[in-house]
Amino acid sequence: KQEVTQIPAALSVPEGENLVLNCSFTDSAIYNLQWFRQDPGKGLTSLLLIQSSQREQTSGRLNASLDKSSGRSTLYIAASQPGDSATYLCAVEGSRLTFGEGTQLTVNP
Amino acid sequence: GAGVSQSPSNKVTEKGKDVELRCDPISGHTALYWYRQSLGQGLEFLIYFQGNSAPDKSGLPSDRFSAERTGGSVSTLTIQRTQQEDSAVYLCASRGGTSPLYNEQFFGPGTRLTVL
Repeated sequence: KQEVTQIPAALSVPEGENLVLNCSFTDSAIYNLQWFRQDPGKGLTSLLLIQSSQREQTSGRLNASLDKSSGRSTLYIAASQPGDSATYLCAVEGSRLTFGEGTQLTVNP
Repeated sequence: GAGVSQSPSNKVTEKGKDVELRCDPISGHTALYWYRQSLGQGLEFLIYFQGNSAPDKSGLPSDRFSAERTGGSVSTLTIQRTQQEDSAVYLCASRGGTSPLYNEQFFGPGTRLTVL
């Protein structure tokens, strides 16, 4: 059974800081890995999708990496802003999409 | 609309009552998923529809839960004889392709269900 773990569970940083969110998974037989953002009381917004054959994806200030053999992914956020405050979820897709518990990020002005 | 929509946004019901939750996927998307997000827990897969194939119901927690997808578009998740532990946010997602490769799942805003 696939298990996805995200570290840290919560993170608070000052505005402007670069930060890294971590995701690990137990079964490397995946099609892809997705990073989502969830704002309080809202649904999920897809940020980046990395196919199993890829090593990284970039979108604006976000960069996600994937090391399938070691079962790890990182989400790098550059020059963080208060608007980045949200819960970030990592999900891997094998036979189904399996989510981590999320990292709750707070960026303080 | 441009995205996945769900209704109602909030539902409060009494224990033992039946509820129906609706999902309108992105037009043309062949795959539709239901998930549940309980307080303090991660997102839990419930059921998956792909085109005209038989749905993958392996995530449904009990036989009180069922779902339909009519005409390959709108889906309804029904919970019979609701229990307090059914309280959660129910999220729907859709995807355009048949393969998980190259295709993201797009999520709706969810329905927050509270069972008193």
